[in-house]
Amino acid sequence: AQSVTQPDIHITVSEGASLELRCNYSYGATPYLFWYVQSPGQGLQLLLKYFSGDTLVQGIKGFEAEFKRSQSSFNLRKPSVHWSDAAEYFCAVGAQTGNQFYFGTGTSLTVIP
Amino acid sequence: DVKVTQSSRYLVKRTGEKVFLECVQDMDHENMFWYRQDPGLGLRLIYFSYDVKMKEKGDIPEGYSVSREKKERFSLILESASTNQTSMYLCASRPRTGTSNQPQHFGDGTRLSIL
Repeated sequence: AQSVTQPDIHITVSEGASLELRCNYSYGATPYLFWYVQSPGQGLQLLLKYFSGDTLVQGIKGFEAEFKRSQSSFNLRKPSVHWSDAAEYFCAVGAQTGNQFYFGTGTSLTVIP
Repeated sequence: DVKVTQSSRYLVKRTGEKVFLECVQDMDHENMFWYRQDPGLGLRLIYFSYDVKMKEKGDIPEGYSVSREKKERFSLILESASTNQTSMYLCASRPRTGTSNQPQHFGDGTRLSIL
């Protein structure tokens, strides 16, 4: 069965430090992978997506993610975190057939000055 | 840009009431979705619709129904609201299957409290 695991429920980083949020997936074929961000009281905004090709994808707000098939991972990274990055982050995998997405349970990011 | 609009940001209702949550998208997307979001549980799919008048149950359809009379509008109905349906509800849309590399686009959510 398809599933997405975000092992870190909550992460705290200092402003200016680097960030890596982990995402592991279970999927029977080549997945379509997404990272979303949710600011407090808001809906989900797409940060980036991976379908095929280059395994390092760039997104908005300075984020990037790397697809590693051998590790079934799609980790999100940012070299220097800003206070405005404090939010909830969700990893998702999209089915190639059918309409469903599968979301991880999210990682809450706190940024300290 | 895709715009998904949920009619209410905050809603307070009483136990036993029939509750309607409305969602409208402006990109002519075939697929629309309703999720609920609870702390520690992430997003759970309630129902989705792949065409007008078509619907499929998601992972947690109990206590909910949906209506899709027009392509742009997807309504979630709580037939008899209960306190355990207090949650954040998120609507999303996406182009039809076959363009499955397209992301879902989300509304801002409706925070529903059942008293």
